[in-house]
Amino acid sequence: EPEVTQTPSHQVTQMGQEVILRCVPISNHLYFYWYRQILGQKVEFLVSFYNNEISEKSEIFDDQFSVERPDGSNFTLKIRSTKLEDSAMYFCASRLTSGGQFFGPGTRLTVL
Amino acid sequence: GQNIDQPTEMTATEGAIVQINCTYQTSGFNGLFWYQQHAGEAPTFLSYNVLDGLEEKGRFSSFLSRSKGYSYLLLKELQMKDSASYLCAVFSGGYNKLIFGAGTRLAVHP
Repeated sequence: EPEVTQTPSHQVTQMGQEVILRCVPISNHLYFYWYRQILGQKVEFLVSFYNNEISEKSEIFDDQFSVERPDGSNFTLKIRSTKLEDSAMYFCASRLTSGGQFFGPGTRLTVL
Repeated sequence: GQNIDQPTEMTATEGAIVQINCTYQTSGFNGLFWYQQHAGEAPTFLSYNVLDGLEEKGRFSSFLSRSKGYSYLLLKELQMKDSASYLCAVFSGGYNKLIFGAGTRLAVHP
């Protein structure tokens, strides 16, 4: 069964460093999303991506965040200058047209 | 604004039935999802309601009333492995982002 994959599973970085989180969505899906979940809190929407551009973003998704689909398979989230409060699980999700979003296993980001 | 409410915690006995309620007030509505999430793992899709009524899928059923802004997830024949958080999420906006509730942590006891 096709699934969303994410790498790395765990990323540790120093405050102020740049990180790139990688996702490979399900191959025929058209809509891509990033969510984050701070430990013990709810899952929060960050950004949606469709037709090679951002379609919607939340207030969390400020100028330090960017997304890219550099080729036909990868979908990346870049955090330019990480802060302590960026420590969270980051989930990538994708969907076809209708129906549910399928989530990847997540990347646990720890900012020291 | 966006508001999704569900109980924080519930407990139930193995073999029993449990109902997890969710109420929502969102600026847009294109459907309601239930996800299961085990600690440290990703949400996994359980059910999707876009029209009023009951959707049944094995041991899991989900109900939606759009006029009341209300949904519930019904879990039957509970098993120990059903101990997890259950997340209610609304599809909202033109590109259908998911707005999640805080989740209901269900503990199933022998």
